[in-house]
Amino acid sequence: EADIYQTPRYLVIGTGKKITLECSQTMGHDKMYWYQQDPGMELHLIHYSYGVNSTEKGDLSSESTVSRIRTEHFPLTLESARPSHTSQYLCASSEFGAQETQYFGPGTRLLVL
Amino acid sequence: KQEVTQIPAALSVPEGENLVLNCSFTDSAIYNLQWFRQDPGKGLTSLLLIQSSQREQTSGRLNASLDKSSGRSTLYIAASQPGDSATYLCAVMSGANNLFFGTGTRLTVIP
Repeated sequence: EADIYQTPRYLVIGTGKKITLECSQTMGHDKMYWYQQDPGMELHLIHYSYGVNSTEKGDLSSESTVSRIRTEHFPLTLESARPSHTSQYLCASSEFGAQETQYFGPGTRLLVL
Repeated sequence: KQEVTQIPAALSVPEGENLVLNCSFTDSAIYNLQWFRQDPGKGLTSLLLIQSSQREQTSGRLNASLDKSSGRSTLYIAASQPGDSATYLCAVMSGANNLFFGTGTRLTVIP
């Protein structure tokens, strides 16, 4: 079982609030990812990181930002939440390499009112 | 841009049946193809990973095949069990080492 954790698991918040979704992994993986999944839809990559101080945008545009100050930690921040941000956010990590399996966290379900 | 399609979107079978899930992708320039399982309220669990140079992978009752030239993969589940009920996602790694996912097949195995 992969050791990757996300908090909170569920979050209901009002429009305009700043939120940070936490993701941590204890496997020492260099690569980490954030995916967004709307109900019944496919996962889309919104951010990824190759290692400390590396952050890249994924194929789906997102108003969120990420940081990678420590190898094990990859938080995602929304400065001003909107109802359009309501979705499930999944974090993943993998060893560095082109063909490594990604291990996923349990996800955070976000509802913005 | 890579597009991944999964058919059927939902499938119900009686316990004990063998079944096949289908996945197709538009760009054959892939590094690998992975099958994941997603349970409600939980994250994804990797089931099988097929490298682009491989034709199939097996794990227990699961067998995944890959035909890269035609852009197709299948996941075969033998002797299905109620515990197999979940959504099965196909994902291909291409481009800048990014995973592109299908929308999944929701499987229900009826006891």
